Amino acid sequence: EVQLVESGGGLVQPGGSLRLSCAASGFTFSSYWIHWVRQAPGRGLVWVSRINSDGSITTYADSVKGRFTISRDNAKNTLYLQVNSLRAEDTAVYYCARGGLDYGGNSGVVDYWGQGTLVTVSS
Amino acid sequence: DIQMTQSPSSLSASVGDRVTITCQASQDISNYLNWYQQKPGKAPKLLIYDASNLETGVPSRFSGSGSGTDFTFTISSLQPEDIATYYCQQYDNLITFGQGTRLEIK
Repeated sequence: EVQLVESGGGLVQPGGSLRLSCAASGFTFSSYWIHWVRQAPGRGLVWVSRINSDGSITTYADSVKGRFTISRDNAKNTLYLQVNSLRAEDTAVYYCARGGLDYGGNSGVVDYWGQGTLVTVSS
Repeated sequence: DIQMTQSPSSLSASVGDRVTITCQASQDISNYLNWYQQKPGKAPKLLIYDASNLETGVPSRFSGSGSGTDFTFTISSLQPEDIATYYCQQYDNLITFGQGTRLEIK
């Protein structure tokens, strides 16, 4: 069974940092694109970042570029999102989600999602 | 960036009704279009992938069609458990979601 379990969220002051983690199981983690998607309270889904199977390709939404860093440790089957210089508008549930197999094309269908971790940015 | 315009933003229908949601891409995305269902407090669930393919285990009352820039999602006979918000998503170039459609029972 494919499972994605996020952790690391919490309450942080504006300008602060957090490292979000996503532990994967039930599939060959090292073969897949993985994404971070966030959802502000009462709002829609917004794509944040993606990383390919070996971490050589990373892409970010303009709203987080330069502040967030996605990475992965395939030996630990874990995805990370380092979030720095946090703003109130970064308050959201952050989901990790599995993309497609990394065959060199686009990042594929996002088929499995974790339950999310809540990041609240407030003083 | 590819923009996805989803309509309507909300919809009220009766049990047994046929429900249709549309999604328009700002440029040709071929069939790189998925549909998700999200219930309150839960993660999104994939229903339809590549515009018209039903994900394993998803009831056959859900369907999708379209290609290029115009896509349609249909529930053939609305059930009470279908109350949720539905999102289209393109993955031709990065990922973009539609604004969502909140579906309610009349």
